[in-house]
Amino acid sequence: QKEVEQNSGPLSVPEGAIASLNCTYSDRVSQSFFWYRQYSGKSPELIMSIYSNGDKEDGRFTAQLNKASQYVSLLIRDSQPSDSATYLCAVNAGQNFVFGPGTRLSVLP
Amino acid sequence: GAVVSQHPSRVICKSGTSVKIECRSLDFQATTMFWYRQFPKKSLMLMATSNEGSKATYEQGVEKDKFLINHASLTLSTLTVTSAHPEDSSFYICSAPVGGNYNEQFFGPGTRLTVL
Repeated sequence: QKEVEQNSGPLSVPEGAIASLNCTYSDRVSQSFFWYRQYSGKSPELIMSIYSNGDKEDGRFTAQLNKASQYVSLLIRDSQPSDSATYLCAVNAGQNFVFGPGTRLSVLP
Repeated sequence: GAVVSQHPSRVICKSGTSVKIECRSLDFQATTMFWYRQFPKKSLMLMATSNEGSKATYEQGVEKDKFLINHASLTLSTLTVTSAHPEDSSFYICSAPVGGNYNEQFFGPGTRLTVL
């Protein structure tokens, strides 16, 4: 069974700090990885996708992938209170996605 | 960007009734759509894959006779929760891949179902 694991949190960081979110996955043949942000009562919205080992940066967000360790992370620089949400790690399992349980991030003003 | 809509956004019903939820791709065609369910403080769990013109594929543990899926056109999939019970109360979300690219999926805004 394909599994995606995340620390449930909550992860609390002060405004302006770097938030680091981690995710591990069990299916070694997975090729596509995604980070979604979900506000309470809302649908997930895509933040980043990453397909190759290494880092991928987009604005304040950096995704890091290490396929050998089956590990993907998301760094949020200069965290803002508006970044407070649940962050879902997702792995493409063929056609559909397998989601992790999500990490709740709280950015304190 | 591509847009997926859901209707209704929120529904409250009595136990034993049936509820239909629509998922539409507004500016693209989707031969496949996915239905997820999310319980409070839990992650999204795939319920079924909706296939245009053929039967849906259900995940293990999801009752196909209770959660009826119809993908009648290239832009519409419906999920009907039959004989709903309070334990079916959840957030139901659909997604659709754009242009057959399963790495590029857009999620609908979700439907909050409350069964009394």
